[in-house]
Amino acid sequence: GALVYQYPRRTICKSGTSMRMECQAVGFQATSVAWYRQSPQKTFELIALSTVNSAIKYEQNFTQEKFPISHPNLSFSSMTVLNAYLEDRGLYLCGARDPGHSDYTFGSGTRLLVI
Amino acid sequence: GEQVEQRPPHLSVREGDSAVIICTYTDPNSYYFFWYKQEPGAGLQLLMKVFSSTEINEGQGFTVLLNKKDKQLSLNLTAAHPGDSAVYFCAVSEASGGNYKPTFGKGTSLVVHP
Repeated sequence: GALVYQYPRRTICKSGTSMRMECQAVGFQATSVAWYRQSPQKTFELIALSTVNSAIKYEQNFTQEKFPISHPNLSFSSMTVLNAYLEDRGLYLCGARDPGHSDYTFGSGTRLLVI
Repeated sequence: GEQVEQRPPHLSVREGDSAVIICTYTDPNSYYFFWYKQEPGAGLQLLMKVFSSTEINEGQGFTVLLNKKDKQLSLNLTAAHPGDSAVYFCAVSEASGGNYKPTFGKGTSLVVHP
């Protein structure tokens, strides 16, 4: 079956430092990868949508300068939270989709705590 | 863009009672509809995916209804049990543009008391 793994599951970083998280698709070709953030007490906000061989599209309030994303092949994507502060804490979710499906398969997320 | 309203934000029921969560969306081009369950500390578990063409969808212990006229999607848990306690999210996506990116509701925290 189609599975998405995210690493690490939980992480703590000091305020002002950066943190990289990874997303691995298994069993299907992840041509599209969507990164979401769930801040405390909030819903899932789309950060950006990445499609292999296309430009990465960032949503309003999120920028490449803050959340650079790499999507080098059909099974892997990574995102870095640069210069993390308190407001960046939350659950970062990666969802991946192949061209034959209309829905994204989500990983379990990377929970980021900033101290 | 698409907006999704979900209610209620919190729901508390007794074991064996039913629990209903409702989402309304704005984009008439919405085509795919999802319900997810998030248990404490975990990611999203897909409960059901619904296509625009299907109004009544039966799952294990729940029913999903789609009312396209009113742009409303509902999740009805029949005979809830404590294991159903979690946060539930609806999500809506459209097919145009080919990216299918889902827009989520704000979530409903369900507590089922024994």
